[in-house]
Order: sequence, then structure tokens, then C-alpha cells
Amino acid sequence: DARVTQTPRDKVTEMGQEVTMRCQPILGHNTVFWYRQTMMQGLELLAYFRNRAPLDDSGMPKDRFSAEMPDATLATLKIQPSEPRDSAVYFCASGSRDRGVLGYGYTFGSGTRLTVV
Amino acid sequence: DQQVKQNSPSLSVQEGRISILNCDYTNSMFDYFLWYKKYPAEGPTFLISISSIKDKNEDGRFTVFLNKSAKHLSLHIVPSQPGDSAVYFCAASAKTGNQFYFGTGTSLTVIP
Repeated sequence: DARVTQTPRDKVTEMGQEVTMRCQPILGHNTVFWYRQTMMQGLELLAYFRNRAPLDDSGMPKDRFSAEMPDATLATLKIQPSEPRDSAVYFCASGSRDRGVLGYGYTFGSGTRLTVV
Repeated sequence: DQQVKQNSPSLSVQEGRISILNCDYTNSMFDYFLWYKKYPAEGPTFLISISSIKDKNEDGRFTVFLNKSAKHLSLHIVPSQPGDSAVYFCAASAKTGNQFYFGTGTSLTVIP
């Protein structure tokens, strides 16, 4: 089964440190999403890319968060400096704009659980 | 502002009975809806979908109902099994849109 791979699985870091989360989307998927799961907001969209170009990052605090796709096999989400309120599970998902595939939604990775102390 | 709402954070059901999970949306442009299931320490996985041209879609024990006039959809699980215990997310998309909007999830517990 094709899967979206996220690393690290868990990350504990001190406030003020830089955190980088990585995602390998499914080969052939041209759309990559970063979501954050919180109790209050559920699955909150942070940013997404199509064909490696950023399409929407309005959900992301721009002063500390950045998202990139250096190539088709890697997406990164970086937080610098990290704060305790960033503690959450961060999910990467990939899909294809063809509605037949998007109709099945996205394929999510297992997430990165970030704890900022 | 949440465009997709799941107002019940949790639900408990006896094994063998019906589970009904509800979802409301505000954007009348939404025309495609999904349900995702999420186990602890895993990512959400696709469960079932429905297009706005239908009012019902069935897949085994899972049925999704769509009431466009009320902007409401529901997921029925019959019969409920302990393995169905998970968080269920409702998601919606517009034909012209590029993303799905997710609700906050409902945690279902099926009691053996």
C-alpha cells in the first residue's frame, strides 16, 4: 500500500528551539497538505502545495512557521522559534487534483506529535 | 470560523446498536463530503463519501445521509462493533475549491 511517511514520529523540544518536520508524499500525488490537530479546532489546515508550488499558507503563523517542498518527494514544515502553544499533532497528507482521486480525499501520514516545553 | 461543525465531541454506543454521528456545514457551495476515521497514534483514513447529487450512500455497515436543505449530514454505523471505536471527522469540499474543510471530530466508543 502506498503511504505518506512523516518524520519524526515524536518530538520534544524546548521553547525557542527550531523544529523541522518532514513528509514524503505518495509518488504521483501532486498536492501536499500540512494540517495541525488540536482539540479546539480539529484538523486545521496550515498550508498546501500543488506541483511543489505553495498555493495557500494563510492558516500558518508566518512569523514563525515556514513550509517548503524542495522536491517532489519531500515537504518540510519548520517552526522557529517554537512555543508551547505549538504543541499538537502535525499531519501531512497528499492527494491528486484529479477529482476522481480527490474524491477519496487525501492520504494522511501518521503525524508528528510535537511537544514544546 | 468553522465551516464544518461536529457538535458532539463524544458518543458511546452498545455493541450491536446503531451509531449516528452528525455533521453540519455552513457553506452552500460545498458539494462533496467525506467521513474519515482516526485511531490513536495514526493518521485519519478515508471511510465513505457522498456527492451532493445523492442523499444517501451505503458501504457495508456504513451509510452516509445528506440533507442539503438543512446543510446536514450524518454517518450511520449498523451494527456497531468495538473496532469502530475511533474519532470520526466529517469533511466538505466545493467543486471549485482545492481543499477539504474538516470538523472537530466525534470520538465514538462502542461498548462490548
